[in-house]
Amino acid sequence: NAGVTQTPKFRILKIGQSMTLQCTQDMNHNYMYWYRQDPGMGLKLIYYSVGAGITDKGEVPNGYNVSRSTTEDFPLRLELAAPSQTSVYFCASSYGDPGANVLTFGAGSRLTVL
Amino acid sequence: GQQLNQSPQSMFIQEGEDVSMNCTSSSIFNTWLWYKQDPGEGPVLLIALYKAGELTSNGRLTAQFGITRKDSFLNISASIPSDVGIYFCAGLMNTGFQKLVFGTGTRLLVSP
Repeated sequence: NAGVTQTPKFRILKIGQSMTLQCTQDMNHNYMYWYRQDPGMGLKLIYYSVGAGITDKGEVPNGYNVSRSTTEDFPLRLELAAPSQTSVYFCASSYGDPGANVLTFGAGSRLTVL
Repeated sequence: GQQLNQSPQSMFIQEGEDVSMNCTSSSIFNTWLWYKQDPGEGPVLLIALYKAGELTSNGRLTAQFGITRKDSFLNISASIPSDVGIYFCAGLMNTGFQKLVFGTGTRLLVSP
């Protein structure tokens, strides 16, 4: 199994550009998450989804959008990239709620906004 | 936002040494988790703790759930070069949706 796959691994954007970070999982997990990781900080939850068609905001959702049309895919959209969105982004998934289920993380997508 | 404080921020040790790191919070958590992140990879779960006072081992790793439920500790014995990475603690907060709150990380470097 591939687990959680994120693309691209690296991307440089200009201020104001838009892009989508792709995330797909092949474990039939119901829950999916997007986190960002800034230097010296813990992972911050951007958005999460408890199933296809259901999404909700996490701790730092501003400037991002998500959709969950299938169980497998959970893309993260940046509409107007800003330097503050320079970060490493991690997608994760779990079978059920994080209290009783292990999160599996992707390898990360490093985004730089100049 | 909620954040867990980890210390130390970084450690540089010799192979064979033991390592201790801890995580503290002003809030109570019902579950504590310890993750390791290898360079260029996502975090991987090492140990999960579910009860106050619980002490759990995974090979050379031992973690404890603090009695106050506001802290947790991770020890690594007889470190080896492949222990290099960033170690994160995470606490589970029940806010309707059970949210994981991550610590700031401890970067470990091991010299052969």
